[in-house]
Amino acid sequence: SAVISQKPSRDICQRGTSLTIQCQVDSQVTMMFWYRQQPGQSLTLIATANQGSEATYESGFVIDKFPISRPNLTFSTLTVSNMSPEDSSIYLCSVEIPRTEGTEAFFGQGTRLTVV
Amino acid sequence: GNSVTQMEGPVTLSEEAFLTINCTYTATGYPSLFWYVQYPGEGLQLLLKATKADDKGSNKGFEATYRKETTSFHLEKGSVQVSDSAVYFCALKGGSYIPTFGRGTSLIVHP
Repeated sequence: SAVISQKPSRDICQRGTSLTIQCQVDSQVTMMFWYRQQPGQSLTLIATANQGSEATYESGFVIDKFPISRPNLTFSTLTVSNMSPEDSSIYLCSVEIPRTEGTEAFFGQGTRLTVV
Repeated sequence: GNSVTQMEGPVTLSEEAFLTINCTYTATGYPSLFWYVQYPGEGLQLLLKATKADDKGSNKGFEATYRKETTSFHLEKGSVQVSDSAVYFCALKGGSYIPTFGRGTSLIVHP
């Protein structure tokens, strides 16, 4: 299994500012994932973060808006830049741990962001 | 592409009532199917899974059967408790390590 510590758990931010979310895993993992969970919506994958290389972003998400760092195999950060109220959401980090059959996803507790 | 459709919530039940949350999917090939639960203020946790047709996943009194003929993976529990109040997500993985999630169904259980 994997224990993921994510912080902050929540924040209220002014528009135009940036927030960096941290994700710490208790084991080394190759890939870490960042999701956005908007109210009443499914989880949307923002990007995949690999150690030692640039993150891979999904359609609709760009590095300038959501820069990601992955300095080692247990840690990653996601920054939400130049925030607007539309960025208000829950942001989740996740890892996939190998199992006998396939992999299992583990999630951090999420960061509830409100932009005012 | 892959997609997951689950019933809209909230689902509101009294304690000890029977629960069904419907989930249907669209995928090529033979995906693995999952139910995740998100308790208030927490991240998602795997509740149960099934990796092939007719498999039944079960955990904490919850069950779901992988029905390929109806492309469904409905979540059921015979007697819900207040502590089951949470948001439940149906998900699939088909040919990729990245899950495709449904929109989530909020369950509210009253004493």
